Amino acid sequence: EPEVTQTPSHQVTQMGQEVILRCVPISNHLYFYWYRQILGQKVEFLVSFYNNEISEKSEIFDDQFSVERPDGSNFTLKIRSTKLEDSAMYFCASREQGAAEQFFGPGTRLTVL
Amino acid sequence: SQQGEEDPQALSIQEGENATMNCSYKTSINNLQWYRQNSGRGLVHLILIRSNEREKHSGRLRVTLDTSKKSSSLLITASRAADTASYFCATFRNTGGFKTIFGAGTRLFVKA
Repeated sequence: EPEVTQTPSHQVTQMGQEVILRCVPISNHLYFYWYRQILGQKVEFLVSFYNNEISEKSEIFDDQFSVERPDGSNFTLKIRSTKLEDSAMYFCASREQGAAEQFFGPGTRLTVL
Repeated sequence: SQQGEEDPQALSIQEGENATMNCSYKTSINNLQWYRQNSGRGLVHLILIRSNEREKHSGRLRVTLDTSKKSSSLLITASRAADTASYFCATFRNTGGFKTIFGAGTRLFVKA
């Protein structure tokens, strides 16, 4: 069964460093999303991406964040200069055209020291 | 104000009992979805109900939606210890940006 994959499963970085979180959405899906979940809190929407551009973003998704689909399979989230408060689980999701269900990846746990 | 608020925040029941979780939201929606998350793991989609539907069943799951009250409930019947997890409702609005908003979740603990 096709699934969304994410790498790495755990990323530890120093404050101020850049990190790139990678996702491989399901191959025939056209809508892509990033969410984050701070430990013990709810899942927060970051950004949605369609047709090679951002379709919506939340107030969390500031200039420190960017997304890219560098090729036909990967979808990345970059944080330019990480802060302690960026420590969270980051989930990627994808959805096919005309469907409402999003399929989530297993997440990347980001720890900023 | 929060979109997708669940109650209760935590629920502890015996195996075999039914578990009911509620969700309220504030804006109009296209659909509402329920997800399950085991501790430290990813989200698993359980069931989706569209804004023009009132009730939906899937196995031991029953979801209701009342758009006039902007609320939904998830009922898990004959619960099992393996149902222990956090359950989130998520509202989806096609505002041109396809945004999904998650609630804070209900932590369900089913005692064997």
